[in-house]
Amino acid sequence: DAGVIQSPRHEVTEMGQEVTLRCKPISGHDYLFWYRQTMMRGLELLIYFNNNVPIDDSGMPEDRFSAKMPNASFSTLKIQPSEPRDSAVYFCASSAHRAVLYEQYFGPGTRLTVT
Amino acid sequence: GQSLEQPSEVTAVEGAIVQINCTYQTSGFYGLSWYQQHDGGAPTFLSYNGLDGLEETGRFSSFLSRSDSYGYLLLQELQMKDSASYFCAVREDSGGYQKVTFGIGTKLQVIP
Repeated sequence: DAGVIQSPRHEVTEMGQEVTLRCKPISGHDYLFWYRQTMMRGLELLIYFNNNVPIDDSGMPEDRFSAKMPNASFSTLKIQPSEPRDSAVYFCASSAHRAVLYEQYFGPGTRLTVT
Repeated sequence: GQSLEQPSEVTAVEGAIVQINCTYQTSGFYGLSWYQQHDGGAPTFLSYNGLDGLEETGRFSSFLSRSDSYGYLLLQELQMKDSASYFCAVREDSGGYQKVTFGIGTKLQVIP
C-alpha cells in the first residue's frame, strides 16, 4: 500500500490567497483526519470524517477553513483567505474501523508558508 | 475537556533504558496511544493501551494505569535512531462521538 498521500508537499503563498491541500487516505480506511502542527500549539486535530461524513469539526479555527470529502479516496482542506498565522505543517491521517481512531497512519504532511 | 502532560525533553545514553511519562485528565476515557515523530517527518504509531497493564512491542513497551490516569512509554536498548519526539494521545468520548487528542510531545535525545 502506498500509504496516505498528500499534495502539495510544500506550499508558499501570499496572504489573502486561497490554499487547497489534498489527501488520499489508505484504501479501506473508514476515518480521515486533518491535523495542524506548530511549535507553539503542537499537533491539533482540525476535523475528522467517518465514511466521508464530518464527525467533529470543533478544531477548525474559523470560517476561513473548510474541509470536504467527496468520496472515500479523496479529501481537501481549504483556507480562504490565508493569513501568515496559518503557516504550519498540515497532516492528513487515516484509520481503519477496527482501530477506532487509536491507530492512525499519517501522510508526509504539507508545509504551508503564508507570507 | 481534557489535558495531557508529558515532559518536554529527555536525554538518555545509547544502550540505556528511558521512560516517558504521560498523565491525563479527561472524562470518557477509552485508551492511550503513543506515536513517534522524527524531525521533519510524520508521526508514526507505536502502541496502544486500552486496558491496564503493559504492552510490549520489541524494544518498546507501553503501560497504562486507568485508576491513576497515567501511562508511560519505555524504550530499551536505546539506539541513536530513537532520537525523536514522542507523543501520547488520549482516545476519549466527546459528546457522543470519539476523538483523539495529542499531547505536546517529549523530545528524546539519545547521546553516545
